[in-house]
Amino acid sequence: LAKTTQPISMDSYEGQEVNITCSHNNIATNDYITWYQQFPSQGPRFIIQGYKTKVTNEVASLFIPADRKSSTLSLPRVSLSDTAVYYCLSMGAYKYIFGTGTRLKVLA
Amino acid sequence: GAGVSQSPSNKVTEKGKDVELRCDPISGHTALYWYRQSLGQGLEFLIYFQGNSAPDKSGLPSDRFSAERTGGSVSTLTIQRTQQEDSAVYLCASSLRIRLGSGAEDTQYFGPGTRLTVL
Repeated sequence: LAKTTQPISMDSYEGQEVNITCSHNNIATNDYITWYQQFPSQGPRFIIQGYKTKVTNEVASLFIPADRKSSTLSLPRVSLSDTAVYYCLSMGAYKYIFGTGTRLKVLA
Repeated sequence: GAGVSQSPSNKVTEKGKDVELRCDPISGHTALYWYRQSLGQGLEFLIYFQGNSAPDKSGLPSDRFSAERTGGSVSTLTIQRTQQEDSAVYLCASSLRIRLGSGAEDTQYFGPGTRLTVL
């Protein structure tokens, strides 16, 4: 049974780098890993997507090791507005499997 | 451009009643997904439509749940004989569902959700 797990919660201070790791078994060989951000009472919002190695965009970086059994979302210099729940998503056996979500709290 | 929209934003119903939830995907997106998110929980996949192909209904929790997608655009999720455990936020997402070369690149864009409360 495909399972995707993340830490339940993390605290950080403004200006720090935050790394959130997702582990997922049964990821399909040809499928991508995506991370989403969700604020209260809103739908998830796309952050970044990758297949392997490292991907970087204007808001985050994504590290995926060669075995693709995990991925790490890196948020550089977080601010208070980054307080949200972060989900990883992978397709396992042609099913969309969201991670359990990591509640990030950024402190002043 | 317009994003994914859902209606109603909130729905309160009595146990045993039927409800219909609507999703308007982003124009041109061939794939449409429904998810359920219970209070404080993660997202649970329900159903997936891709173009004219038969939908993947494997995530529907019971036969009281069904969904349609008319004309490859608007989708309706129907819950018959609602139960209190059906109370949740129902999220819809759409994507271009691009499959490139060696992989499937599929960025999903989510609507704001419909909060369903079954009394």
